[in-house]
Amino acid sequence: GQNIDQPTEMTATEGAIVQINCTYQTSGFNGLFWYQQHAGEAPTFLSYNVLDGLEEKGRFSSFLSRSKGYSYLLLKELQMKDSASYLCAVPDTGYGGSQGNLIFGKGTKLSVKP
Amino acid sequence: GAGVSQSPRYKVTKRGQDVALRCDPISGHVSLYWYRQALGQGPEFLTYFNYEAQQDKSGLPNDRFSAERPEGSISTLTIQRTEQRDSAMYRCASSLGGGHGYTFGSGTRLTVV
Repeated sequence: GQNIDQPTEMTATEGAIVQINCTYQTSGFNGLFWYQQHAGEAPTFLSYNVLDGLEEKGRFSSFLSRSKGYSYLLLKELQMKDSASYLCAVPDTGYGGSQGNLIFGKGTKLSVKP
Repeated sequence: GAGVSQSPRYKVTKRGQDVALRCDPISGHVSLYWYRQALGQGPEFLTYFNYEAQQDKSGLPNDRFSAERPEGSISTLTIQRTEQRDSAMYRCASSLGGGHGYTFGSGTRLTVV
């Protein structure tokens, strides 16, 4: 089965950089997803990593190390609107996308302070 | 449609009643997923479909919960003889597959009184 661990809460200052970590244990692996969820809203897709390394997408970057079972989401130039929960997720049974469902972590609630 | 549509947005029902939650996925999305999300927690998997075929229902809590997607598009999650512990946000998502990720609907907030 899959097990995902991420910090419950984090606080950072506007304009700063924050790194949200995620560790996982899986019986098979086919990628790791990050989602953003603002309070009271639906989760929205941020990134997908299947190979080791850093994927950059504007102010957000996501890193993966398959050998360590570790990923992080890096948010640069933080803005107040980045206050949200950030969810790490991996496909179940080692299949990705339409071949399997995602298992989500409990999420990291990020609060950005002025 | 342009996004994943769920109805109703809010449902209050009395304990013991049956409820049906509807999900209309993005047109062309093969896969449709049902999740339940408690406040402050990540989404918890319930069941999913590829086209009209239910691929995995291992997340359904008990036999009071069922889901169908008869024509491979709209899906209905039915909860029979509701109990207070069924109160939660029920979310539907659809996907093209691969690395595209899911698109979630706005959810149905179910309250059992």
